[in-house]
Amino acid sequence: GAGVSQSPRYKVAKRGQDVALRCDPISGHVSLFWYQQALGQGPEFLTYFQNEAQLDKSGLPSDRFFAERPEGSVSTLKIQRTQQEDSAVYLCASRQREGDYNEQFFGPGTRLTVL
Amino acid sequence: LAKTTQPISMDSYEGQEVNITCSHNNIATNDYITWYQQFPSQGPRFIIQGYKTKVTNEVASLFIPADRKSSTLSLPRVSLSDTAVYYCLVGDMGGGGADGLTFGKGTHLIIQP
Repeated sequence: GAGVSQSPRYKVAKRGQDVALRCDPISGHVSLFWYQQALGQGPEFLTYFQNEAQLDKSGLPSDRFFAERPEGSVSTLKIQRTQQEDSAVYLCASRQREGDYNEQFFGPGTRLTVL
Repeated sequence: LAKTTQPISMDSYEGQEVNITCSHNNIATNDYITWYQQFPSQGPRFIIQGYKTKVTNEVASLFIPADRKSSTLSLPRVSLSDTAVYYCLVGDMGGGGADGLTFGKGTHLIIQP
C-alpha cells in the first residue's frame, strides 16, 4: 500500500522489558513524526526527523525513549525498561516536504500494553 | 502555540449538516487552522486547512471569520461513517514554528440513524 505502515500493531510487554516499534513512512517523505496517544486523549508529539536528522525530541517523556531513522526512511522508536505509564498507542506520521503546509499522514499506530 | 477549545461531544442524525466550532482566541498572524478526523484504531486523517474566510473541499467546509478567533468545520449531510473524533489544530504550518502537531482532546461526534 501507499500509506504509512507500523509494526507490530499490538505489543504486550512485561514491566522492565525493552520494546522496539517500527514505522515505514510513505516513500520519499522527508519528515517523520512520532506521537503518543493515551486512552481518551489526543495524540501528543514525541519527536521529529527531517531525513535522518532528529531535529526535535522535546516531547520524549524520559531518557528511556529513543528514536532513530538511520537511512532517512524507516524509523524505530525504542522504549527501554518499560513502565505501566508507557501503555498507549504510538503513532507515526510522515510529511512530504520540510517547512511546508503539507498535511501529515498517519499510520494506524502500535498499541503498547505494559503489564 | 494557540490554545483551542472545542466541544467534547456532539450528536446528530444521518443526513443532517453538522457544524463544529473551535475557539482559538490567541491565534497568531502566521497560524493556520487545520482539522483532523480520527476513527477508532486508526491514526488521524487530515480533513481541511485554512487561513481566513472559507475553504471547501470534497469532504468539508471551513469557515473562518475576519478576526480568526474561531473557526467552524461544516460536514454536509453526515452519515453513520462520520462518527469519529474531530480535532481542531492551530499553529504555524509553514515551518516557522514547531513542526509537531498539537492536538487537544477533540470533539467526539456521534451520528445516529
